[in-house]
Amino acid sequence: AQSVSQHNHHVILSEAASLELGCNYSYGGTVNLFWYVQYPGQHLQLLLKYFSGDPLVKGIKGFEAEFIKSKFSFNLRKPSVQWSDTAEYFCAVKAPRAAGNKLTFGGGTRVLVKP
Amino acid sequence: DGGITQSPKYLFRKEGQNVTLSCEQNLNHDAMYWYRQDPGQGLRLIYYSQIVNDFQKGDIAEGYSVSREKKESFPLTVTSAQKNPTAFYLCASSIDLGIGELFFGEGSRLTVL
Repeated sequence: AQSVSQHNHHVILSEAASLELGCNYSYGGTVNLFWYVQYPGQHLQLLLKYFSGDPLVKGIKGFEAEFIKSKFSFNLRKPSVQWSDTAEYFCAVKAPRAAGNKLTFGGGTRVLVKP
Repeated sequence: DGGITQSPKYLFRKEGQNVTLSCEQNLNHDAMYWYRQDPGQGLRLIYYSQIVNDFQKGDIAEGYSVSREKKESFPLTVTSAQKNPTAFYLCASSIDLGIGELFFGEGSRLTVL
């Protein structure tokens, strides 16, 4: 079955540490890739997206993600986290039309940044 | 401000009762979606609608129903046939179905007692 996998369910780190969250998907063909973030008490919002072009995508709040086609991966990174980055992060993949043209989410990763 | 409004924010119901969750958007988006969020499972698609009077089942449609009589509105009914209805429900919209960028409401938390 087509799926999106996020490897870590929970991540705890200190301020100024580097963050990398893994995301792998199983769809073949052209896909659109997204990272969404849900801060405590807030609605889900888009962090960054990849449609085509440069596989290194920069998003808001210093986040970036790298699309590696050969590995079916779209990992999220931030060089130095802040306490305000505490949130749940979701990877999402928009499947090709043949797979229903739907947006499928990974299971999410809860990130806790300790001050 | 443009956005998506979900109501109610919290809802308690007894087993066997149907309940309808409201979703309204003023973004002039064609496509609307309902997702269910459970801990560790991410978001799972219940139903989606590309245009008025048309909607499609998502991955977990059993026990749910929707309508799309107006572009702005996409209510979700959780029926008594849904075996595990207690969850956080998220409504979203996008310009059209071909665009993966979704805008989300704040969600409705349903607890069935």
